[in-house]
Amino acid sequence: GAVVSQHPSRVICKSGTSVKIECRSLDFQATTMFWYRQFPKQSLMLMATSNEGSKATYEQGVEKDKFLINHASLTLSTLTVTSAHPEDSSFYICSARDSERSYEQYFGPGTRLTVT
Amino acid sequence: AQSVAQPEDQVNVAEGNPLTVKCTYSVSGNPYLFWYVQYPNRGLQFLLKYITGDNLVKGSYGFEAEFNKSQTSFHLKKPSALVSDSALYFCAVSKRRGADGLTFGKGTHLIIQP
Repeated sequence: GAVVSQHPSRVICKSGTSVKIECRSLDFQATTMFWYRQFPKQSLMLMATSNEGSKATYEQGVEKDKFLINHASLTLSTLTVTSAHPEDSSFYICSARDSERSYEQYFGPGTRLTVT
Repeated sequence: AQSVAQPEDQVNVAEGNPLTVKCTYSVSGNPYLFWYVQYPNRGLQFLLKYITGDNLVKGSYGFEAEFNKSQTSFHLKKPSALVSDSALYFCAVSKRRGADGLTFGKGTHLIIQP
């Protein structure tokens, strides 16, 4: 149980285009999902907290107009990188908090974004 | 602001020997502490957590961690290392029980030598 999926696993896009990444909790409901960014050989940095049915909360320094987050259901959150640039190339990882077990976070496998 | 320090970039241990991966934290209030492991090209896997209760926490794959409030530490340990334990290990802290995203340490590469 407690599986989180992400789609796509890898994406390459041209500079200036937008990319949508999906995060799904497959066997549990997640009122809260989190989006992280991991640079090569570095730690994960929290970007934003996504709550079902409400606006996301962004960490300081994260552009909310660039990284659009939508949490439309208890099992799906999406991150859209708008007008992507090469510096947005990174590994994006989501996690989902099990609504029944409040302190458990389960991580997706991540999405490798490359902007050319 | 909360923070996590993992002072070692890499830890090398011979197979069969005990291993320790160090972690110290800084957070106001009670900490909620976690260890995760990341294998190449795979997502983070949960190992164990400290929320409250016994200071020695047992987790997956034979790992355990000891919460030490006075030293603000949460070191990961295993009595006998396996080659398959080689991976990247992250310590993380949350300020509010389940309500906040995690603050991660920089990670420690654990290399178990046959």
